[in-house]
Formats: sequence, structure tokens, C-alpha cells
Amino acid sequence: GAVVSQHPSWVICKSGTSVKIECRSLDFQATTMFWYRQFPKQSLMLMATSNEGSKATYEQGVEKDKFLINHASLTLSTLTVTSAHPEDSSFYICSARDETGVDTQYFGPGTRLTVL
Amino acid sequence: GQNIDQPTEMTATEGAIVQINCTYQTSGFNGLFWYQQHAGEAPTFLSYNVLDGLEEKGRFSSFLSRSKGYSYLLLKELQMKDSASYLCALNSGNTPLVFGKGTRLSVIA
Repeated sequence: GAVVSQHPSWVICKSGTSVKIECRSLDFQATTMFWYRQFPKQSLMLMATSNEGSKATYEQGVEKDKFLINHASLTLSTLTVTSAHPEDSSFYICSARDETGVDTQYFGPGTRLTVL
Repeated sequence: GQNIDQPTEMTATEGAIVQINCTYQTSGFNGLFWYQQHAGEAPTFLSYNVLDGLEEKGRFSSFLSRSKGYSYLLLKELQMKDSASYLCALNSGNTPLVFGKGTRLSVIA
């Protein structure tokens, strides 16, 4: 299957700082990528849809000014958690939509964020 | 809107066969995905069914009945490493995918 990478795999930061997470589709182009958040033992929660060359579409209840998404190329989307607080500590997972052949979403390995 | 139901937890014995069911309601349907997610890791793609019937891929098979709004994932010759959550996800044609809450499978010796 297609490969999606995320960087960093884990990050620990102080409260009030900003953290940027990168999501890359390595062997296909993705006009659409998705950002999810998952708390322990809970379901995936979609945060936003990242569209190449246009603004992201945020799910209800997700603050767009706090979670900045940039999809500047067909292989890269970034999520920046601004002014992070301990309640933002979670597992952030991106996925990329591969529309060649079967329309499938492939997930990155996730980024574990801990805010102290 | 869309709605997906799958059992919350299942337990099965090593070497056995287990079937994880998923029922859904949707106004539009393009296909149905199954993903596997181990604890602390991101989901990995298992299968995608677009047409009715059974698709086999090694020890894993996935079945779809569009008229019944029903799918199942069949795992054969269960191994301890198959202990994970299994997510059913609906492609209704409107991105993004709609995920079920997942079925946590425990494989015991």
C-alpha cells in the first residue's frame, strides 16, 4: 500500500508553546489529507480536512485559530498546535487520500503530543 | 447522514476464526473500508469493498452486502498479534470517511 509519513513521532513541549506536525505522502500525490485526534481508548476524531491550495475545512468544535493547517503541496500538509495546553495532549494522526486506482485513505504513523 | 454500528469488544481463541460485523445506514455509498489499529499506533488499511461479495486476502476476508447495509471482517487462524481494534469506515462519496467506534478484539491462548 501507499506510504504516509509523519514527523515528529512524539513531542513534549511546555504549555504556551507551538508545535508543528508534518504529514507527507511519500509515493503518491494527495490533494486531500485529513487530521485526526485520538485520546486513549477513544475513537478517532476528525479535526479537519486539508485541501491542497485552499483553506482547510474544520469540524464543528475545532478551533481553526488554534489548529493551523497548511497544505502547500500535493505531498505535504502541516498541523500547527498554537499555544498548546495540557488538554491538547493527544495522539494526532494524519491520513492522505490516494485517488489513483481505488480511492483509499492511508494513515501516517501518528504523533504523540505531550504538553507539560 | 451516516451511522455505523459494530460491537465494542470481542474475545476469541488463538487458532480460531472470528467474524466482526459492521452495519451501516447511509444516503450515499461508494465503498466500505476495514482498518486495523493496534494500541498506541495509527490505523493500517486492511480492505476496501465496493461491490457485494467476499474478498479474501490471506487470513483476512471482508464481505459486503449493500442491500442489507452490512459488512463483516473474517479473521482465520487467529494469532496473538491480531489483538487490536478493527475499524469499519464508510466512504459515502462525501469526504472524509465516517468511522465506526471500532471493535476491540482480544485473542487469548
